[in-house]
Amino acid sequence: GENVEQHPSTLSVQEGDSAVIKCTYSDSASNYFPWYKQELGKRPQLIIDIRSNVGEKKDQRIAVTLNKTAKHFSLHITETQPEDSAVYFCAAGTGGFKTIFGAGTRLFVKA
Amino acid sequence: DAGVIQSPRHEVTEMGQEVTLRCKPISGHNSLFWYRQTMMRGLELLIYFNNNVPIDDSGMPEDRFSAKMPNASFSTLKIQPSEPRDSAVYFCASTPTTGVNTEAFFGQGTRLTVV
Repeated sequence: GENVEQHPSTLSVQEGDSAVIKCTYSDSASNYFPWYKQELGKRPQLIIDIRSNVGEKKDQRIAVTLNKTAKHFSLHITETQPEDSAVYFCAAGTGGFKTIFGAGTRLFVKA
Repeated sequence: DAGVIQSPRHEVTEMGQEVTLRCKPISGHNSLFWYRQTMMRGLELLIYFNNNVPIDDSGMPEDRFSAKMPNASFSTLKIQPSEPRDSAVYFCASTPTTGVNTEAFFGQGTRLTVV
């Protein structure tokens, strides 16, 4: 069945450094790749998404890249800040509106 | 709009008891999803509905779990009988069906503890 793998499970960076989270998906029919941020005790919220007809998208300090051939996509956060500390989930959406999430990456940004 | 509303926010119950979690999606959204979140397994899709019809329930772990969506503004997830391993945060999410995949709006979640 569909599967999304996410790495690393935990990531610790110094404030100002970059953070990269990587995901792979199994279903070649996937066409939508959102990223969600979940702060402690709160609900996941969308921070950026990319569709299969685009290879890269950027929004201020956040960027996502997609390699459909290799079936992997990545989240890049530059100039990290303490408020970036959270759990980040990648996801892959297939036809029929089914969205499968990765297991999550717990990001710690040390001041 | 108040967003996706879930109740209760917290539920503590004894093993063997029936538990019912409730969700009200955003008005106008016709896809609804139930997810379970644990430290070990992350966000697992349990079941999703489109226009009140269950489309895929392959993620429902056992027959003890059941979900219904009697109308466009209400869904329930029921566990009967509950077990300690069901302890998790259960999220409901909804999306508008526009012909393409789009952002899922999550409720605040229900933290279930089965003792």
